[in-house]
Amino acid sequence: DSGVTQTPKHLITATGQRVTLRCSPRSGDLSVYWYQQSLDQGLQFLIQYYNGEERAKGNILERFSAQQFPDLHSELNLSSLELGDSALYFCASSPSRTGFQYEQYFGPGTRLTVT
Amino acid sequence: KNQVEQSPQSLIILEGKNCTLQCNYTVSPFSNLRWYKQDTGRGPVSLTIMTFSENTKSNGRYTATLDADTKQSSLHITASQLSDSASYICVVIPYNTDKLIFGTGTRLQVFP
Repeated sequence: DSGVTQTPKHLITATGQRVTLRCSPRSGDLSVYWYQQSLDQGLQFLIQYYNGEERAKGNILERFSAQQFPDLHSELNLSSLELGDSALYFCASSPSRTGFQYEQYFGPGTRLTVT
Repeated sequence: KNQVEQSPQSLIILEGKNCTLQCNYTVSPFSNLRWYKQDTGRGPVSLTIMTFSENTKSNGRYTATLDADTKQSSLHITASQLSDSASYICVVIPYNTDKLIFGTGTRLQVFP
């Protein structure tokens, strides 16, 4: 158990809908990272937040947004969902602003299925 | 072309045997290179982290090597166990960034 929690575990929704994925980092970790893992692709970095502020952006679509709250939990919002958004979404946390120095601990993931 | 390429895509071995997984990368310069193990449907778990100046790093039966000249890394698994069945992902972090660049992984299956 990494100490990172994600809810829900599974989510099934229809095209065009909007969903929110939630992540609670390990106690004491200030950075939260979001990743997408599709069947035909490896893990893709989406976005990083550090202590409530956006720190780095990866291949995140404009239809997706995220935020980190004062209690350090983070939410990833996915809107106008398309079939191609079906994937595993992972959250990871680390204690530092700069992830390359520290280990990133991954949560169990949320499996999103868009029908 | 992916910046981090792994081979083979999949591998089947018998319990107790050794195996070596390969990672070729083009990311340069980089801060560190990591190997992760990912069980099906679970989050990745770190096995080793090597800085650009390290040649080898061990974690139990897992040994990672790094050749910065040829831009290659390998993960050697000794005396494989059934629980080693998983995907193994090579990750490179470019210098002065926080972004992890993931390889597509090697799917290892260990049979009794």
